[in-house]
Amino acid sequence: SQTIHQWPATLVQPVGSPLSLECTVEGTSNPNLYWYRQAAGRGLQLLFYSVGIGQISSEVPQNLSASRPQDRQFILSSKKLLLSDSGFYLCAWSGRGPDEQFFGPGTRLTVL
Amino acid sequence: SQKIEQNSEALNIQEGKTATLTCNYTNYSPAYLQWYRQDPGRGPVFLLLIRENEKEKRKERLKVTFDTTLKQSLFHITASQPADSATYLCVLRHYKLIFGSGTRLLVRP
Repeated sequence: SQTIHQWPATLVQPVGSPLSLECTVEGTSNPNLYWYRQAAGRGLQLLFYSVGIGQISSEVPQNLSASRPQDRQFILSSKKLLLSDSGFYLCAWSGRGPDEQFFGPGTRLTVL
Repeated sequence: SQKIEQNSEALNIQEGKTATLTCNYTNYSPAYLQWYRQDPGRGPVFLLLIRENEKEKRKERLKVTFDTTLKQSLFHITASQPADSATYLCVLRHYKLIFGSGTRLLVRP
């Protein structure tokens, strides 16, 4: 069966510090991968998606970046965090068709 | 641009009653629409998908309808239980998935 992992579960970082969140998927090959952010009481905002290794599409301009160094690994990064980067970050994967998305447990990021 | 509207107010119902959640969208009808459940501090979990040529889809106590004329989907939970308490998200595809902000359901014992 497929599983998706995210870490860390929670993170408190000072403004201006770097960020690296990691997501890995097991039990499937060549998945579509996604990074979302959810602010309190808001819907999920798609940040990045990837259809293959090294292929990243950005949905919104921001100081975040994403990379996919391996087929089942997706990394969200920032060189300098802003207060507005606080939120709940979710990684998800899907198959090639218009399938449902499977979400990881999420990372709660607080920037102080 | 395509938008999804879900009631931001929580729906509070008695156990055993049917919960009905509404999802309205603007502009053109999507090829399909999905419903997810999200518990606090957790990622969403897929529940049902309904295509534009389907009027209704059922799964156990869940039922989803899709009315392209009204540009609306209704999500029903029959014989609701306290364990059904969660936030329910409506999602449609417009070259990417667009998530509604969700409606919180609270089922009182």
